[in-house]
Amino acid sequence: SALTQPASVSGSPGQSITISCTGTNSDIGGYNYVSWHQHHPGKAPKLMIYDVNNRPSGVSDRFSGSKSGDTASLTISGLQAEDEADYYCSSYTSSGTVVFGGGTKLTVL
Amino acid sequence: EVQLVESGGGLVQPGGSLRLSCAASGFMFNSRWMHWVRQAPGKGLEWVSRIKTDGRTTTYADFVKGRFTISRDNARNTLYLQMNSLRAEDTAVYHCTEDVRGVTTANWGQGTLVTVSS
Repeated sequence: SALTQPASVSGSPGQSITISCTGTNSDIGGYNYVSWHQHHPGKAPKLMIYDVNNRPSGVSDRFSGSKSGDTASLTISGLQAEDEADYYCSSYTSSGTVVFGGGTKLTVL
Repeated sequence: EVQLVESGGGLVQPGGSLRLSCAASGFMFNSRWMHWVRQAPGKGLEWVSRIKTDGRTTTYADFVKGRFTISRDNARNTLYLQMNSLRAEDTAVYHCTEDVRGVTTANWGQGTLVTVSS
């Protein structure tokens, strides 16, 4: 079943926010294959973090990831207006599939 | 630059079939795992299927097993998704994505809309 994310988070420009993503020992807890994706509606999703805490080339270092047990987290520091989007976590699973979280809508106040 | 362009979506009746295509360019297609991920209207992202570089290993989400078939043509740099026995709940934008190891979804296409309705 889907990973568990909060439906929404918000923050003011310049602040930091953290989005959690909870799974099980068959996905997040069992592998260091957690990713985070940014999705602006109507555009293609964008990979922001892979392998728990690695950033693809070109992604701002304001984005960081971590994991503890069955829960992963995405932190965005120095919030900017363009960070407002939907964020999805994903993990590889013991079944050889990939599972996504339900998504978190980030609002920059 | 990695480019993934999906096509083949449209309106189909319940129980019908559709074949989606994804044309890839800007990278070595035969060295990447390929995935299909969908997003139903107003809902989140949902992983559908993946296929290994040589096409010999495929994996499916439970909700499409036995109905959908993923395949690829490395000579044509194209990924496919054959969808049979379509249901209303299969209505979604279908994205193709790629990655090196088959464990995540790196670059994404814009998607193609599939609507299942009578």
